[in-house]
Amino acid sequence: ETGVTQTPRHLVMGMTNKKSLKCEQHLGHNAMYWYKQSAKKPLELMFVYNFKEQTENNSVPSRFSPECPNSSHLFLHLHTLQPEDSALYLCASSQVRGGAGETQYFGPGTRLLVL
Amino acid sequence: AQSVTQLDSQVPVFEEAPVELRCNYSSSVSVYLFWYVQYPNQGLQLLLKYLSGSTLVKGINGFEAEFNKSQTSFHLRKPSVHISDTAEYFCAVSDTNFGNEKLTFGTGTRLTIIP
Repeated sequence: ETGVTQTPRHLVMGMTNKKSLKCEQHLGHNAMYWYKQSAKKPLELMFVYNFKEQTENNSVPSRFSPECPNSSHLFLHLHTLQPEDSALYLCASSQVRGGAGETQYFGPGTRLLVL
Repeated sequence: AQSVTQLDSQVPVFEEAPVELRCNYSSSVSVYLFWYVQYPNQGLQLLLKYLSGSTLVKGINGFEAEFNKSQTSFHLRKPSVHISDTAEYFCAVSDTNFGNEKLTFGTGTRLTIIP
């Protein structure tokens, strides 16, 4: 595997379910990000991890819980979601957190539908 | 804080015709500028970025963009488009100050190539 991978690619869940999204980067990067992409809206940065430490939480509701066990893996744990949380969730990584215009490398995303 | 405006949500263009996708930004500080492309069912991929130096930036797949500080614009251009350029294009901006480099994205422009 190369680049940034995300699993699952599609997820349907009820509002009472608990599920997790997984992201893995094979680029040797130290920073990882979760974004939410909704139709007709700009990408919304949710969380940033730099060297496994969370450095940004962009006022995300507590029903989204990130976890970064090491620099290569990032999880997004989901519980008691709302229908408005249906979106494409994108993971990205970069060499360092931002810094001198670092390029972010994105995974293909998980398409989430909350019923 | 920064903001990005992509005035055109959809742009249809005939194959082999030129195209310009518009991007304007607002910021009180110096910025780095990016164009990302998202092909169907894929994550975002960097097309090009402006960090400093020449205001004309060349990217992948024959695209280029010009940074115009006085007009706070960073329009993307290609002299002759192909069917494979069908995708959504996102302009993004970040602060140049280390520690504050969060990417702010526009709402995207969907480019459709007409055979």
